[in-house]
Amino acid sequence: GAGVSQSPSNKVTEKGKDVELRCDPISGHTALYWYRQSLGQGLEFLIYFQGNSAPDKSGLPSDRFSAERTGGSVSTLTIQRTQQEDSAVYLCASSLGPGDGYTFGSGTRLTVV
Amino acid sequence: GQQVMQIPQYQHVQEGEDFTTYCNSSTTLSNIQWYKQRPGGHPVFLIQLVKSGEVKKQKRLTFQFGEAKKNSSLHITATQTTDVGTYFCAGRTNRDDKIIFGKGTRLHILP
Repeated sequence: GAGVSQSPSNKVTEKGKDVELRCDPISGHTALYWYRQSLGQGLEFLIYFQGNSAPDKSGLPSDRFSAERTGGSVSTLTIQRTQQEDSAVYLCASSLGPGDGYTFGSGTRLTVV
Repeated sequence: GQQVMQIPQYQHVQEGEDFTTYCNSSTTLSNIQWYKQRPGGHPVFLIQLVKSGEVKKQKRLTFQFGEAKKNSSLHITATQTTDVGTYFCAGRTNRDDKIIFGKGTRLHILP
């Protein structure tokens, strides 16, 4: 597609439930990133995929968070047993390669009640 | 770990005044990128600087990369209401492919 697509755009979930967030990067972009942004705050790195290499998971805040990227394209970020502190906007970005500028999606606003 | 510090956190300027935001890294960077995030929007890539001492311009925006490749600045001349938003710098080291974002400078324009 023309841009990075994320779904859903908004998600309200009850505390303790699992959620899946989807990211469809720009076709041909080998690098895919997940960031988290709390209201009025900066971007917190979560995970990075580059081609077929093992992902860089160093930013995942706990083992409740996991992500996968299938076929080098679509990525899913899964949060298990959601907590209120998980409420944030989850942003996905892709780039042609690791040294290039990122194109961000519009994000998924997650609210845990 | 690597940190990218950005100052100021907030800036209010009168329309027509200039604005500058500064970015400093604890380690030498291989490159630095700048992004703009409008209120309610997502970050949009503006530019990437790679060379020591590099200066790039985009209309009223001037970007600089320090000689030591540890700091950078974004200067906006004669601000307009369309400049409102948060400006993020993001640095990459030679050791890592991912970039680390600063916390951003939120620019508010007073009419």
